[in-house]
Amino acid sequence: DVKVTQSSRYLVKRTGEKVFLECVQDMDHENMFWYRQDPGLGLRLIYFSYDVKMKEKGDIPEGYSVSREKKERFSLILESASTNQTSMYLCASSLRGLKRSNEQFFGPGTRLTVL
Amino acid sequence: KNQVEQSPQSLIILEGKNCTLQCNYTVSPFSNLRWYKQDTGRGPVSLTIMTFSENTKSNGRYTATLDADTKQSSLHITASQLSDSASYICVVSALLGGGADGLTFGKGTHLIIQP
Repeated sequence: DVKVTQSSRYLVKRTGEKVFLECVQDMDHENMFWYRQDPGLGLRLIYFSYDVKMKEKGDIPEGYSVSREKKERFSLILESASTNQTSMYLCASSLRGLKRSNEQFFGPGTRLTVL
Repeated sequence: KNQVEQSPQSLIILEGKNCTLQCNYTVSPFSNLRWYKQDTGRGPVSLTIMTFSENTKSNGRYTATLDADTKQSSLHITASQLSDSASYICVVSALLGGGADGLTFGKGTHLIIQP
């Protein structure tokens, strides 16, 4: 059974703190993604990675960075958390290649509140 | 710019009734269209996928249709159950090279089934 796990379901941090969100997948997928989801805005892509140590900016990368040191793990880093980063964060993974179906498998999400 | 528009934004129906959700897109070049179901506090899960040559796909009580000429898709839910209460997200994939999945997400339709 495919599985994407995220380190925390709920997280509360203070403004200015450094925040790490971890995502692990056990499907040997090449692609991994970080999204944030806000009411009325849907899912927005923050960063994605198509290989170890590779990363690409998504639509809203400002205020975030990522790390992919191992194939199965993709971390999202908020260097200095701000209140406008309060959101639901979703990690996803997918296969890469000509035969891929583009299906992204999502983790359960981390609801981050920045006070 | 690639866009996916969903309607209605929200919908409330009585248990046992049918409903249809709409998705219009302007994504080019088109690869496939997928409907995801997202339960509250969970990550999205794929329901159906359709490519250019497919115009209908069923998954139990869920039936998706695709009209590639008018760039419209619908998701029909038959004999709704309380467990159908969720957000339904239409996701359209563009044909892209490289590692990106080329996904454009709709903002979702929030469906509530009342007993």
